[in-house]
Amino acid sequence: DQQVKQNSPSLSVQEGRISILNCDYTNSMFDYFLWYKKYPAEGPTFLISISSIKDKNEDGRFTVFLNKSAKHLSLHIVPSQPGDSAVYFCAAVFGNEKLTFGTGTRLTIIP
Amino acid sequence: DAGVTQSPTHLIKTRGQQVTLRCSPKSGHDTVSWYQQALGQGPQFIFQYYEEEERQRGNFPDRFSGHQFPNYSSELNVNALLLGDSALYLCASSLGVRVGTDTQYFGPGTRLTVL
Repeated sequence: DQQVKQNSPSLSVQEGRISILNCDYTNSMFDYFLWYKKYPAEGPTFLISISSIKDKNEDGRFTVFLNKSAKHLSLHIVPSQPGDSAVYFCAAVFGNEKLTFGTGTRLTIIP
Repeated sequence: DAGVTQSPTHLIKTRGQQVTLRCSPKSGHDTVSWYQQALGQGPQFIFQYYEEEERQRGNFPDRFSGHQFPNYSSELNVNALLLGDSALYLCASSLGVRVGTDTQYFGPGTRLTVL
């Protein structure tokens, strides 16, 4: 039962353009969503989060949008930089329960 | 300030064997969570330890067990290894038991291969 889905396994974006990574979820009880970034041979690193009571959260070049009615969130990176090339995981949590991760999207920034 | 450390980096075992993986949390953290990341998948929560007790558990069989020591470090034990246990095992540490917080720090993981 995949409660958090990232339907795009990979995405390539030109340097300087906007990268948009998408995530869908099925459990309407999730109340907190997070994005993690993972480089090879390293553990995931927290990037940005959003509470279910908000629809947008911004941190520098990174913005997360939440559409609760569609059970969809997206991560926007603008402008994209070569160092952004990594695997991005969407994760969700309900209350004090475990983190549920998506399968990840590999983002490649083309110089 | 040392982050989360895990040992060993890589491990090769055969089916039926037992394995122990180790994790030292980030300085100041008291909670350790373990995740299994199979190839092409996202991390899946195994269990969480706080105050030397298992506080939450994911959908993993009893072959997966753990321990937390007074210094907050933790071990993950897997008995009767199966080929399907081959994965990257990630440890994450945090302060307090709230799992869904941005203050979870992950280690680099232990790559387990079961032959």
